[in-house]
Amino acid sequence: SAVISQKPSRDICQRGTSLTIQCQVDSQVTMMFWYRQQPGQSLTLIATANQGSEATYESGFVIDKFPISRPNLTFSTLTVSNMSPEDSSIYLCSVEEREGIDTQYFGPGTRLTVL
Amino acid sequence: AQKVTQAQTEISVVEKEDVTLDCVYETRDTTYYLFWYKQPPSGELVFLIRRNSFDEQNEISGRYSWNFQKSTSSFNFTITASQVVDSAVYFCALSPPMNSGYSTLTFGKGTMLLVSP
Repeated sequence: SAVISQKPSRDICQRGTSLTIQCQVDSQVTMMFWYRQQPGQSLTLIATANQGSEATYESGFVIDKFPISRPNLTFSTLTVSNMSPEDSSIYLCSVEEREGIDTQYFGPGTRLTVL
Repeated sequence: AQKVTQAQTEISVVEKEDVTLDCVYETRDTTYYLFWYKQPPSGELVFLIRRNSFDEQNEISGRYSWNFQKSTSSFNFTITASQVVDSAVYFCALSPPMNSGYSTLTFGKGTMLLVSP
C-alpha cells in the first residue's frame, strides 16, 4: 500500500489563526480525501480532492473555512482557517489505491488543538 | 442513505480472552464494500480488511476473523486470544460500489477495545 505522511503531526494554535496541513504520498494517486475526527467521535469526510480540479466539499464544510489544494498526484494541503476551539480535532488525509477493488489508506493524522 | 452502527461503545477484556466487535449496516445498494479499520492511541487509522458484498465467505487472518452475514446485514470482527497491543478504537465502514466513481466511506462510531494484562 501507499506510504502517506502528514505534516505537522500535531500543533497547538491560537484562536483566529490558520493552519495548513500537508499530505504527501509516495506514489501517484487519483483521489485524495480529507477527514475530520473530533474528540471521541468518528470520522467525517470534509472534502474530496482530485488533481487539477476544485475540491468537492461535503455538506457542512465550505471552501472558505477549509481551502484545499491538490497541485499534483502525490500531494495535497488542507487549511483550517480562522480557527476556533471547535476546530480542535484530528485531521486525516486518505488516498484511494486501486488494487482491482478500491480501498482508502490513511495518513498518520494531524492532531490540532485550538486555544 | 448508508448507515453503519457499532452498538458497543467500549469493551474491556483481560488478555487472552476472545472478543467480538459488532457491526450492523444499512444500504440500498446491491453491491457494496465493508471495511474494518483500527485506530491505536497514536491516532493513525490502520486498514484491516475489505469485504465485497457478493463474497460471504468468512475470513481469518492470524488471531483476527470476520463473519459477514448478508441476511442480518452484519460484519462482525473477532479477536482471538486478545493482547494488550490490540487496545484501540475499531471502526467498521461501508462504501458504495466501484462504478460510483470513488469510494465514499461511511464510518460507524467506533468501538473502543481495552485489553488489560
